[in-house]
Amino acid sequence: KNEVEQSPQNLTAQEGEFITINCSYSVGISALHWLQQHPGGGIVSLFMLSSGKKKHGRLIATINIQEKHSSLHITASHPRDSAVYICAVRGGTASKLTFGTGTRLQVTL
Amino acid sequence: DVKVTQSSRYLVKRTGEKVFLECVQDMDHENMFWYRQDPGLGLRLIYFSYDVKMKEKGDIPEGYSVSREKKERFSLILESASTNQTSMYLCASTSQATVDDGYTFGSGTRLTVV
Repeated sequence: KNEVEQSPQNLTAQEGEFITINCSYSVGISALHWLQQHPGGGIVSLFMLSSGKKKHGRLIATINIQEKHSSLHITASHPRDSAVYICAVRGGTASKLTFGTGTRLQVTL
Repeated sequence: DVKVTQSSRYLVKRTGEKVFLECVQDMDHENMFWYRQDPGLGLRLIYFSYDVKMKEKGDIPEGYSVSREKKERFSLILESASTNQTSMYLCASTSQATVDDGYTFGSGTRLTVV
């Protein structure tokens, strides 16, 4: 069993829909990251969370430390949101990340 | 604009060749990482480095080595390339002092070994 599990693996939505991507982890962590990867490979950091909730534009990320679970929400989705969204966790004082396998999101008109 | 630059976007090499993948960052970051990304497996850590001349094995170091002679440059070396090393390779860096400010990733090198 992977230390970081994401669901769903694939997601298709229509423009304007509210989207939720889930991430569960099985180890103690000091931080959780949400990343976005567009076709072609480049990865961009979206959020780092150690507790609570963060919002940036139409993106909202939440984390529940007790339940070892995080969600990434996209409000009013748009085709430019189409990408792979990756959850990654950092444990202890080390700076290395453990990654989920990603959720491929396709937003259609 | 801060950057992690990987020297090649696409690379095709023959089985048995020695392959060098170069990564350079301009942010004075202490920590640098090499990952490979394969469908269904996500990103897996090959090697990382916390400082110049320091290196530590990640989860899948077999068949790879690294070099960090200068702070800004972290090289991944495939001593004798094999077809199972065909993959997307991603370099990343982060500051030790502000590690939770985020990681900066390169654009990736898609390596094909034939």
